[in-house]
Amino acid sequence: GDSVTQMEGPVTLSEEAFLTINCTYTATGYPSLFWYVQYPGEGLQLLLKATKADDKGSNKGFEATYRKETTSFHLEKGSVQVSDSAVYFCALSLAGGSEKLVFGKGTKLTVNP
Amino acid sequence: ETGVTQTPRHLVMGMTNKKSLKCEQHLGHNAMYWYKQSAKKPLELMFVYSLEERVENNSVPSRFSPECPNSSHLFLHLHTLQPEDSALYLCASSQARGLGEQYFGPGTRLTVT
Repeated sequence: GDSVTQMEGPVTLSEEAFLTINCTYTATGYPSLFWYVQYPGEGLQLLLKATKADDKGSNKGFEATYRKETTSFHLEKGSVQVSDSAVYFCALSLAGGSEKLVFGKGTKLTVNP
Repeated sequence: ETGVTQTPRHLVMGMTNKKSLKCEQHLGHNAMYWYKQSAKKPLELMFVYSLEERVENNSVPSRFSPECPNSSHLFLHLHTLQPEDSALYLCASSQARGLGEQYFGPGTRLTVT
């Protein structure tokens, strides 16, 4: 079945460090890929998306590139801030029929000053 | 109001109570979802409504009863809950048969005593 695997957390970084959160997927079709972020006490917010191979999604300094050859969608940010502390979820959706998002288990990021 | 709203934000109920959670979306979407988020567990999809018809029910106990009277509103009726039902309940909406991106509300933090 379709699935998403993302790196286990928690991840702890110092401010201005480089961030990578790995995400790989298994899907039978051609999925759209998403990163969601959940700040403490809030719901999930769509951070970025990519709908086809080689697309790069970007938002708020975060980037992820849809790599079909490695079935990956790793999240990166060049310089994290304390305000980036949150839980990050990778997800996929099979376009054109499925109403489901398949989520990874989430990776908790803590950024220290 | 914009986006997806949920009320109440916090709810404490006894095991014999009956209560309802409400979700409203202001995005013109036609698919709505209930998720359960428990500590240290992956996000669980509970119900999906697409074009006001229930299309998925992931083996959720009958003490949870969804209602979708129109494309903008979604309810989750609760009765005789168990302490293990304590969790954050998230509502989301999307465009049916679209690219799959979902927009989430802030959630209702439910505590069953």
